[in-house]
Amino acid sequence: GNSVTQMEGPVTLSEEAFLTINCTYTATGYPSLFWYVQYPGEGLQLLLKATKADDKGSNKGFEATYRKETTSFHLEKGSVQVSDSAVYFCALSVRDDKIIFGKGTRLHILP
Amino acid sequence: GAVVSQHPSRVICKSGTSVKIECRSLDFQATTMFWYRQFPKKSLMLMATSNEGSKATYEQGVEKDKFLINHASLTLSTLTVTSAHPEDSSFYICSARVMGNEQFFGPGTRLTVL
Repeated sequence: GNSVTQMEGPVTLSEEAFLTINCTYTATGYPSLFWYVQYPGEGLQLLLKATKADDKGSNKGFEATYRKETTSFHLEKGSVQVSDSAVYFCALSVRDDKIIFGKGTRLHILP
Repeated sequence: GAVVSQHPSRVICKSGTSVKIECRSLDFQATTMFWYRQFPKKSLMLMATSNEGSKATYEQGVEKDKFLINHASLTLSTLTVTSAHPEDSSFYICSARVMGNEQFFGPGTRLTVL
């Protein structure tokens, strides 16, 4: 079946630190991959996506590269800010069907 | 960007009562709406998919008679938790999508059943 595994949180970093949140997937098919972010008190927002192998999604300084050989889609940011504090969800979708989410990783950025 | 609202944002009810949650797409017409349930420290679990004017498609293990979904228009879907019990307490999130495009999520509704 289809599933997403991402690193457990919470992750606590100081401002301007480098961020990596690991995500791996299993899929019966050729999935599209997503990172969603949920800020406190708000709904999920699409942060970035990639639809084929070696594609790099990027937005707001975050990046993730679709790695088919390692079935991974790790989220990275070179210098985090306090405003990046949120819960991040890795997700996949096959053939524009329903979205399968990981468990989410809570990120705390300290000033 | 596309906005999806949910009402209420929080609801507390007594065991045995029914609760209705509304999901609205504010600035676009959604051909499909999805209802998710989120448990603490766990992922979003898809409960059902609804298309305007037709019956909802429920995921395996979700009781359709307990979680009634009505997608009456292209901008409104409702989830009714019937005869709610404490184990139904959870965070319910809806999303809306125009065919083939991105899903836009609502802010969620926190249900507490006493």
